[in-house]
Amino acid sequence: NAGVTQTPKFRILKIGQSMTLQCAQDMNHNYMYWYRQDPGMGLKLIYYSVGAGITDKGEVPNGYNVSRSTTEDFPLRLELAAPSQTSVYFCASSESSGNTIYFGEGSWLTVV
Amino acid sequence: AQSVTQLDSHVSVSEGTPVLLRCNYSSSYSPSLFWYVQHPNKGLQLLLKYTSAATLVKGINGFEAEFKKSETSFHLTKPSAHMSDAAEYFCVVSGPNNAGNMLTFGGGTRLMVKP
Repeated sequence: NAGVTQTPKFRILKIGQSMTLQCAQDMNHNYMYWYRQDPGMGLKLIYYSVGAGITDKGEVPNGYNVSRSTTEDFPLRLELAAPSQTSVYFCASSESSGNTIYFGEGSWLTVV
Repeated sequence: AQSVTQLDSHVSVSEGTPVLLRCNYSSSYSPSLFWYVQHPNKGLQLLLKYTSAATLVKGINGFEAEFKKSETSFHLTKPSAHMSDAAEYFCVVSGPNNAGNMLTFGGGTRLMVKP
């Protein structure tokens, strides 16, 4: 029962470094999402994808990039890390619009 | 446009007493509403969802919520709290297509359960 798997779980980055958060789902879901969660706040959508080869911006896309070359994988790239990107990142997936969304366990990122 | 307000950032109850987590929403559409729970260092798990069927929705672990259109509320309740219920709870409203790109999250309510 893997579901949505995110790696790494914890990471400390220096300002200006780059990194990729990996996300994979084994449920053959078409829709995948990346959210960030700041302390005391609800989740905000960064990017989403409705299928392989298709991505679109969410509410807070600046400073991030994504790709969706396969149905299973949806990596999130931070090119030039900034302290404002210190957050908890959640990947999620759903079969289609209107279906239950399944979340990964989160990736804690600190930029110093 | 849509928004969600969780009226309490923290709620503390004793084990065995009732739980009430309050949520108000606004939406230009007929919304779908969800409650998710997040245990420490874990992802979000769906507790229950309302999608324009019965207004009283039963979820997992004894939780239920009632959709009240006149009050624009979707409060989460449980008759008797258990220690394992201690977690963060999020009320969520979806847009017209119920897609993940149209979800709006409330700020969360942290539930503490005292022995």
